[in-house]
Amino acid sequence: GQNIDQPTEMTATEGAIVQINCTYQTSGFNGLFWYQQHAGEAPTFLSYNVLDGLEEKGRFSSFLSRSKGYSYLLLKELQMKDSASYLCAVISDDYKLSFGAGTTVTVRA
Amino acid sequence: IAGITQAPTSQILAAGRRMTLRCTQDMRHNAMYWYRQDLGLGLRLIHYSNTAGTTGKGEVPDGYSVSRANTDDFPLTLASAVPSQTSVYFCASSGGAEDTQYFGPGTRLTVL
Repeated sequence: GQNIDQPTEMTATEGAIVQINCTYQTSGFNGLFWYQQHAGEAPTFLSYNVLDGLEEKGRFSSFLSRSKGYSYLLLKELQMKDSASYLCAVISDDYKLSFGAGTTVTVRA
Repeated sequence: IAGITQAPTSQILAAGRRMTLRCTQDMRHNAMYWYRQDLGLGLRLIHYSNTAGTTGKGEVPDGYSVSRANTDDFPLTLASAVPSQTSVYFCASSGGAEDTQYFGPGTRLTVL
């Protein structure tokens, strides 16, 4: 099976930076996604990485190292509305998406 | 309709009853998926369909069936519900199997 690990919870202060790490061991690799999920809502797409390096999108950036089986999502200038779960997901060789259990980020004033 | 819709929003069901969760998308996406989300376990794939007329099994298919008669609709059926099927169910779609998946609002199902 696929193994995707990310921390369960993180807490940070408004205006700060938080980095959510994700490590994966999967049968092949065809891309890594990050989703945001607010409580009681559907996951929404944040970012996609398939090549090594950093992808930046406003306050959010995502990094991938395929050789290390590692990714991180960087959230800058944290706002209260960023309090949510962040899901790391990998597409493996069979083109199915496998999800980590999610990291709940709490932003404090 | 814009995006993906699911019905019902929530349901309480007696064990042993049959239930169909509905999912419709208007994005003309080829691929559709059903996931369940349980606390601490993340999203797990139940069944998927890469194109109309075809379906496949995901990680946790037992007790569930699907059909894909056309591009837009992908219903999930629980033939005889059991309490362990209490969960939040999300439908998703993507242009192709390796493309970004977009999720519906979810159905919260409780089996008593």
